Amino acid sequence: DVKVTQSSRYLVKRTGEKVFLECVQDMDHENMFWYRQDPGLGLRLIYFSYDVKMKEKGDIPEGYSVSREKKERFSLILESASTNQTSMYLCASSVTGLNQPQHFGDGTRLSIL
Amino acid sequence: LAKTTQPISMDSYEGQEVNITCSHNNIATNDYITWYQQFPSQGPRFIIQGYKTKVTNEVASLFIPADRKSSTLSLPRVSLSDTAVYYCLVGGAKGYSTLTFGKGTMLLVSP
Repeated sequence: DVKVTQSSRYLVKRTGEKVFLECVQDMDHENMFWYRQDPGLGLRLIYFSYDVKMKEKGDIPEGYSVSREKKERFSLILESASTNQTSMYLCASSVTGLNQPQHFGDGTRLSIL
Repeated sequence: LAKTTQPISMDSYEGQEVNITCSHNNIATNDYITWYQQFPSQGPRFIIQGYKTKVTNEVASLFIPADRKSSTLSLPRVSLSDTAVYYCLVGGAKGYSTLTFGKGTMLLVSP
């Protein structure tokens, strides 16, 4: 089975801090994704990556950046955390192909105080 | 973007068939429709995917009419363990940035 591991289940940070969320997948997938999930809004795509060092913006990239230095690892960075970035963050991976099923991690619940 | 619309919630009883419909009026020609299930404190899990007509696997069926402007996830004989949030995902034909999740349908199955 594909395993997507997010480094933290819960994280509490302060406004203005630089925050790193880490995601690792073990199935050699080319594609990796970062979503945020908020009540009433569902899942919204922040960024995705289709190869090492390659990235594209999703629906809501403002305030975020990403890094993919190795195929198995995809990091989401909040350059200067704000309270409106308090949310559940989900990482996913898939094989190449626009319609391939995505495999999700169990999420990081991030609180910005 | 293929905006998707789903009912916010549905209620059912054990043993009943449940049908959840997702509307996607401006679906692109090459977009697929994918459904995911999510339990509390877990990430979404792939259930089924289709392009047109009907697809069936061991857990669900997916019905897609000819105009593809909607799709229906059918769960036969639900049990308590099917209580979850169900998301439809449409898009990808014009790039990953066009992938659009619905807001999810909370299905509550009662004894």
